[in-house]
Amino acid sequence: EPEVTQTPSHQVTQMGQEVILRCVPISNHLYFYWYRQILGQKVEFLVSFYNNEISEKSEIFDDQFSVERPDGSNFTLKIRSTKLEDSAMYFCASTQWRTDTQYFGPGTRLTVL
Amino acid sequence: GQQLNQSPQSMFIQEGEDVSMNCTSSSIFNTWLWYKQDPGEGPVLLIALYKAGELTSNGRLTAQFGITRKDSFLNISASIPSDVGIYFCAGPRFTGTASKLTFGTGTRLQVTL
Repeated sequence: EPEVTQTPSHQVTQMGQEVILRCVPISNHLYFYWYRQILGQKVEFLVSFYNNEISEKSEIFDDQFSVERPDGSNFTLKIRSTKLEDSAMYFCASTQWRTDTQYFGPGTRLTVL
Repeated sequence: GQQLNQSPQSMFIQEGEDVSMNCTSSSIFNTWLWYKQDPGEGPVLLIALYKAGELTSNGRLTAQFGITRKDSFLNISASIPSDVGIYFCAGPRFTGTASKLTFGTGTRLQVTL
């Protein structure tokens, strides 16, 4: 069964550094999402992406964040200058159609020191 | 913003017992989803509910979509050790070309032998 994959599984970085988190959505999917989960808390929506542009973003998704679909298979989340409070699990999800149920990748654990 | 509150926050039960948990919302949802999250993993979809009053089963799991469309319930029968994890309810919102999931606060389930 097709799956969403994410790399790396764990990223450690110094505060102020840029990080890029990578996702490979399911191949025929058109809608892509990033979510964040701070340790011990609920999963929170960050951004949705369709047709090469952001469809919706949350208050968390400020100017330090950006998303890109650089080729036909990858979907990336970039954090320009990481802060301690960016430490969290980041999950990618994708759907073929807007109203489909979202299926999640295994996540990237980001640790900012 | 929308809030989904889950109760109980955590449960400790013995293997073989039945489990009930619920999720209530401050606003109406037209779809309810139940996900399970194992430690260090992404949320995995368990059950999707699409119609008020609907009762849907997936093996030992049964979920109901409340008549008011502001709540949902998940029951697990005859619990086993692999049921351990965090259970999240989630509701989708569709706007324009976007959709996003709002997640509940989670119910942590521990199963003892």
